[in-house]
Amino acid sequence: GENVEQHPSTLSVQEGDSAVIKCTYSDSASNYFPWYKQELGKRPQLIIDIRSNVGEKKDQRIAVTLNKTAKHFSLHITETQPEDSAVYFCAASRGFGNEKLTFGTGTRLTIIP
Amino acid sequence: GAVVSQHPSRVICKSGTSVKIECRSLDFQATTMFWYRQFPKKSLMLMATSNEGSKATYEQGVEKDKFLINHASLTLSTLTVTSAHPEDSSFYICSARDGRADRTDTQYFGPGTRLTVL
Repeated sequence: GENVEQHPSTLSVQEGDSAVIKCTYSDSASNYFPWYKQELGKRPQLIIDIRSNVGEKKDQRIAVTLNKTAKHFSLHITETQPEDSAVYFCAASRGFGNEKLTFGTGTRLTIIP
Repeated sequence: GAVVSQHPSRVICKSGTSVKIECRSLDFQATTMFWYRQFPKKSLMLMATSNEGSKATYEQGVEKDKFLINHASLTLSTLTVTSAHPEDSSFYICSARDGRADRTDTQYFGPGTRLTVL
């Protein structure tokens, strides 16, 4: 089955700096890669996703890049703000018809004011 | 759009009792829902995939007779933890796949249910 590894497990950055979280996956048939943000005791919130026919996607301060050959994808947050502090999870699935998500282990991001 | 609700948010029960958790998609039809379990400071572990009108598909190691799943309609799936024991205490979260044409892969999560078994 799919295995998703996520690094780092914790990350602290100064407010205004950028944060990068990286994930690798094992199943070459995976083609859908969402990122979720989870605050303590709350539900995971989808923040951005990317499909395998795209190499990069951006939404304001958040961007995701995908390298299918290397089987890795990354989350980039620019101009970080205190409200960005949370746990971030990457995930992978084979997409439509087989939507089971396999999650990474999570990254606890702390933004230092 | 794409709101998923879950009820109850918290439940405390005695060992040996059964607990039912409901997951509803409020503004879209969800042919597929997923049930996850999350331990403190850990990732989400998929327990089962729930398909409307058919039997759920359980992940390896998940006891189907202990975690009963019913997906009776396009907006409701239920998870019943039978004969609960303290080791079943956890945060249970459902998600629903948005089946609309332009969002076929996207899953939206419910707020979770914190189960404590005494």
